[in-house]
Amino acid sequence: GAGVSQTPSNKVTEKGKYVELRCDPISGHTALYWYRQSLGQGPEFLIYFQGTGAADDSGLPNDRFFAVRPEGSVSTLKIQRTERGDSAVYLCASSETSIYTGELFFGEGSRLTVL
Amino acid sequence: AQSVAQPEDQVNVAEGNPLTVKCTYSVSGNPYLFWYVQYPNRGLQFLLKYITGDNLVKGSYGFEAEFNKSQTSFHLKKPSALVSDSALYFCAVRRYGSSNTGKLIFGQGTTLQVKP
Repeated sequence: GAGVSQTPSNKVTEKGKYVELRCDPISGHTALYWYRQSLGQGPEFLIYFQGTGAADDSGLPNDRFFAVRPEGSVSTLKIQRTERGDSAVYLCASSETSIYTGELFFGEGSRLTVL
Repeated sequence: AQSVAQPEDQVNVAEGNPLTVKCTYSVSGNPYLFWYVQYPNRGLQFLLKYITGDNLVKGSYGFEAEFNKSQTSFHLKKPSALVSDSALYFCAVRRYGSSNTGKLIFGQGTTLQVKP
């Protein structure tokens, strides 16, 4: 596609439920990032994929959070046993190469609300 | 560890006046520096970046930024502000190095308000 696509754009769930957030990066982009943005804050790094493998998952807050990218394109962020504190906008970004000079291209985000 | 500070939560400027949005960074080794803009209910859009070379970099929509290594700063500037520039601006840094995974660290953001 022309840009990074994220679905759903909005997700409302109840505490304790499981959610999946999907990211479809720009075609051909090998690097994929997940960030979380709370109200009034800057984006907080969660995880970075280079191809199919997670190159850096140091930002995942705990083991309830997991992300996959099985074919090196689409990625899914999975959150188990959601908590109210997980409410935020989850941003996905992709980048053309693993060379660190490249800028990230962001999707419009998935807004997660945990009641 | 790498970090970014944007000391101003909000910057107010009159249309037609020059604007500056401040950013300082902390990183071991050489930095790669970026500015992004976020409009309400939209994703982040890339404005410009400093990788190497000329300390003054030019980007989208007439914005520019000056890299100052001694002051570890990367302030965003525009000679003449437009009302349509009103948005949330983020500075970000990535560390250059063999152990770098490409992680981009963002500041807290600065709201720019341009008044007619």
